[in-house]
Amino acid sequence: GAGVSQSPSNKVTEKGKDVELRCDPISGHTALYWYRQSLGQGLEFLIYFQGNSAPDKSGLPSDRFSAERTGGSVSTLTIQRTQQEDSAVYLCASSPVMGGASNQPQHFGDGTRLSIL
Amino acid sequence: GENVEQHPSTLSVQEGDSAVIKCTYSDSASNYFPWYKQELGKGPQLIIDIRSNVGEKKDQRIAVTLNKTAKHFSLHITETQPEDSAVYFCAARSVNYGGSQGNLIFGKGTKLSVKP
Repeated sequence: GAGVSQSPSNKVTEKGKDVELRCDPISGHTALYWYRQSLGQGLEFLIYFQGNSAPDKSGLPSDRFSAERTGGSVSTLTIQRTQQEDSAVYLCASSPVMGGASNQPQHFGDGTRLSIL
Repeated sequence: GENVEQHPSTLSVQEGDSAVIKCTYSDSASNYFPWYKQELGKGPQLIIDIRSNVGEKKDQRIAVTLNKTAKHFSLHITETQPEDSAVYFCAARSVNYGGSQGNLIFGKGTKLSVKP
């Protein structure tokens, strides 16, 4: 596709339920990032994937959060036993190469707006 | 770790005026500074970026300046138009934070309103 695609665009669920959020990065992009954006706040880094390397999970707020990336392309962010404070917009971004001298820009999807009742 | 402060949080200007948004960062090793524009219900879109080996970059009505000594960088929008109304985020990337990949650290955003 032309850009980063995220689904669903909106998700409403009850407290305690598990949710899965999906990200399709730009074709050929090897780096994939998940961020969380709370109302009126900046973007909070969650997790990063680069090729076949072990993901950087340093931003995950608790062990209820996990993510995987299958085949180096599509990624799924899973939140177990959701809490009301998990309500936010979850954004995915991809870039062609990771950091370093090239510093390729990150391209964002439109996010999933998650609401926990 | 890196800390990015962004000011002002809200900015209102008349159409045709200039708008300036300022950010400061804490890690002197930061070497990449993108600016993103986010419209309601959309993801952030990159509008301009600057690397630490230059002091200024322009793209039509948008310019970014970087002062490495003072550790601050600014976004300048000239001849503002109503369609420039959005939330703008600055970010900094340091290879000292988040391991070798150097994650982006974002400011909290500036809501720009351009009045016709």
